[in-house]
Amino acid sequence: AQSVTQLDSQVPVFEEAPVELRCNYSSSVSVYLFWYVQYPNQGLQLLLKYLSGSTLVKGINGFEAEFNKSQTSFHLRKPSVHISDTAEYFCAVSRSSYKLIFGSGTRLLVRP
Amino acid sequence: NAGVTQTPKFRVLKTGQSMTLLCAQDMNHEYMYWYRQDPGMGLRLIHYSVGEGTTAKGEVPDGYNVSRLKKQNFLLGLESAAPSQTSVYFCASSYGQGASTEAFFGQGTRLTVV
Repeated sequence: AQSVTQLDSQVPVFEEAPVELRCNYSSSVSVYLFWYVQYPNQGLQLLLKYLSGSTLVKGINGFEAEFNKSQTSFHLRKPSVHISDTAEYFCAVSRSSYKLIFGSGTRLLVRP
Repeated sequence: NAGVTQTPKFRVLKTGQSMTLLCAQDMNHEYMYWYRQDPGMGLRLIHYSVGEGTTAKGEVPDGYNVSRLKKQNFLLGLESAAPSQTSVYFCASSYGQGASTEAFFGQGTRLTVV
């Protein structure tokens, strides 16, 4: 069975500082990996996805993630965050089916 | 660009009451999903549909029923609401086949069962 672990429930960071949100997954087969963002009182929006090829994936709003197969990780990074990045971020995995398995989410709190 | 639209956005139910949540998508997507979101648990799949007239159970289907009579609509029903069903419900849809396709989400329905 697949599972997704987001170890940090909340990450506080100052504006213009770098940030890394951690995601680890477990699966015995190849998977597709996703990061979604949820702004307050809104639905989820796709940030980026890894399907195959280059392990460094660039997404919207300056975010990027690196797929590490040996460590089964897919950490999300941004070199300089803005107040507007305050949101909840979800890592998700999907295998051969189209169903997404989500992590528990990490709340990014950007302070001025 | 409507995308995925959920109605209602908020609802308060008494224990034992029934209700239906409606999801409509205008992107001609084959696949539709219902998730529930609870604090610290991420999103969990309730039911899903791979096309008009089809439905299947997800991770947490108990207490819910669904129907997909038209391709663009996916209904989630609660026959006898319980406090444990207090949650935020999200509908999503996706196109094509395979795990690589992007899911598009609605704005959510906040349901409180008292």
